[in-house]
Amino acid sequence: ELKVEQNPLFLSMQEGKNYTIYCNYSTTSDRLYWYRQDPGKSLESLFVLLSNGAVKQEGRLMASLDTKARLSTLHITAAVHDLSATYFCAAVQGAQKLVFGQGTRLTINP
Amino acid sequence: NAGVTQTPKFQVLKTGQSMTLQCAQDMNHNSMYWYRQDPGMGLRLIYYSASEGTTDKGEVPNGYNVSRLNKREFSLRLESAAPSQTSVYFCASSIGGRATDTQYFGPGTRLTVL
Repeated sequence: ELKVEQNPLFLSMQEGKNYTIYCNYSTTSDRLYWYRQDPGKSLESLFVLLSNGAVKQEGRLMASLDTKARLSTLHITAAVHDLSATYFCAAVQGAQKLVFGQGTRLTINP
Repeated sequence: NAGVTQTPKFQVLKTGQSMTLQCAQDMNHNSMYWYRQDPGMGLRLIYYSASEGTTDKGEVPNGYNVSRLNKREFSLRLESAAPSQTSVYFCASSIGGRATDTQYFGPGTRLTVL
């Protein structure tokens, strides 16, 4: 059974700092997703990572995938307040069933 | 395009009452999904429909039924609501069958069962 774990679950950081969110998954997965959720809102797709060594970047966010270690990371560079949100990773079980991590609540203080 | 829409946005039920959550998508997607989100647990898949005419159980199907009415619509029914079903329910859809298959989520329904 696929399990997905994120850490940390809560992260408070200052603007301008760098930090990384980690996502471990327990069994082989064809792809790995990252989503963002603002309070009281729906989920917004950020990245989909397909293969070992895949790296994708959008603004101050960069996601990477190591399939051998079953690890994905979401790196935040020079954080700004607008990036405050909850971030979820999700791995795929079977053809299309997503298994989500618990989420990382990120708060960026001015 | 509206994307994925859900009704209602909020609902309060008494234990034992029934209700149906509605979901529709206008992206011509083949696959649709129902999730529930509870604090500290991320999202968990209740049921999904890989294509019109098919439905399958997800991780937490007990107490729920689904109907894929047509390609656009996928409903979730609670026959006899219980307090443990208090949650936020999200519907999602995806094109299906592609390596980069991304799920797009609706705005959610916040359900409270008293």
